[in-house]
Amino acid sequence: SQTIHQWPATLVQPVGSPLSLECTVEGTSNPNLYWYRQAAGRGLQLLFYSVGIGQISSEVPQNLSASRPQDRQFILSSKKLLLSDSGFYLCAWKGTAIETQYFGPGTRLLVL
Amino acid sequence: EDQVTQSPEALRLQEGESSSLNCSYTVSGLRGLFWYRQDPGKGPEFLFTLYSAGEEKEKERLKATLTKKESFLHITAPKPEDSATYLCAVQAGSWGKLQFGAGTQVVVTP
Repeated sequence: SQTIHQWPATLVQPVGSPLSLECTVEGTSNPNLYWYRQAAGRGLQLLFYSVGIGQISSEVPQNLSASRPQDRQFILSSKKLLLSDSGFYLCAWKGTAIETQYFGPGTRLLVL
Repeated sequence: EDQVTQSPEALRLQEGESSSLNCSYTVSGLRGLFWYRQDPGKGPEFLFTLYSAGEEKEKERLKATLTKKESFLHITAPKPEDSATYLCAVQAGSWGKLQFGAGTQVVVTP
């Protein structure tokens, strides 16, 4: 069966510091991968998606970037965090033959 | 522009008191409508996928239905463990991109 991991689970970072969040998927090959951000009391906003190694599409202009160095690894990064980057970050995967996305446990990021 | 609106924002139910959640959408070329359950501090858990008007799916006390403009999630005889935020999302574009509603927070009291 497929599983999706995210780490760290919680992160507190000062403004201006760098960021690296990691997501890995097990039990599937060539998945579509997605990064979402969820602000308190709001729905999920799609940030990036990837349909293959090295391929990244950005949905909204922002202070963040994403990379996919391996087939089942997706990384969300920032060079300098802003207060507005605080939120709950979720990674999701989708198989090529199905439409449903499955989510990881999320990373809670607090920028102070 | 694709839009997904969920109502109500919050719902408080007594145990056993059935109710429905609404998800209305405006998209061109719906490829799928999805329901998820989200517990506090956790990632969304997949519940249902609906593809065409008239389709219905059930799982335990939950039943999801779809029309051309909206979807309903019916909760029959809820229990306290059904307390969660229920999210609706639609897929209309390519690459599986989803547009989410803001969710309905459901609290079921004993």
